[in-house]
Amino acid sequence: QVHLVQSGSELKKPGASVILSCKTSGYTFTRPGMNWLRQAPGQGLEWVGYINTKTGNPMYGQGFTGRFVFSLETSAGTTYLQISRLKAEDTAVYYCAESGVGDGFYGMDVWGQGTTVTVSS
Amino acid sequence: QSVLTQPPSASGTPGQRVTIFCSGSSSNIGNNHVYWYQQFPGRAPKLLIYRNIQRPSGVPERFSGSQSGTSASLAISGLRSEDEADYYCTAWDDSLSGWAFGGGTKVTVL
Repeated sequence: QVHLVQSGSELKKPGASVILSCKTSGYTFTRPGMNWLRQAPGQGLEWVGYINTKTGNPMYGQGFTGRFVFSLETSAGTTYLQISRLKAEDTAVYYCAESGVGDGFYGMDVWGQGTTVTVSS
Repeated sequence: QSVLTQPPSASGTPGQRVTIFCSGSSSNIGNNHVYWYQQFPGRAPKLLIYRNIQRPSGVPERFSGSQSGTSASLAISGLRSEDEADYYCTAWDDSLSGWAFGGGTKVTVL
């Protein structure tokens, strides 16, 4: 059973940047889709986007282009989410979640434990 | 304002059947599969239903999904206290080119 381990909580000031990580337990990506989602305090889920761990191609959700960037470290089975020019409204728990892609998508069935990002002056 | 519409809350007594509805449009539920996630406070979501009606291994049979037109529903039969959680529906949205979510439904067991 694959596990996803995310990096620890972050406290940042507005305008700063942050890099979140999501590591597979076996240091190997077992499926091509690594999704990132976020959940603001007391709110629902938002899809930030996903990166194809086979091709490296990213896809960003609406409202998440420009300041949000995915990257891969394939040898370490790790994906990263960098958020730049942080705003207070970026305060949320960020989750990574693994899935298939295209016809091989059967839901996001493996999730990380979440990383809390707090943006405050 | 979520793209998919869910009631904010639902409740039932132990043993009852509770149904959560999720309303969308032709660009999401009307043209793509629906997925349901269960989330307990402070925990990551868990996949409950995929491709409208399928249950992942380990999900009890009392959870069932359905889809018709631009709406979907999640039914919990034989409601149990451990079913108290938030439930989210989601579907790919062709107009957004991304996953659309409902605002979530908090299920309370009375």
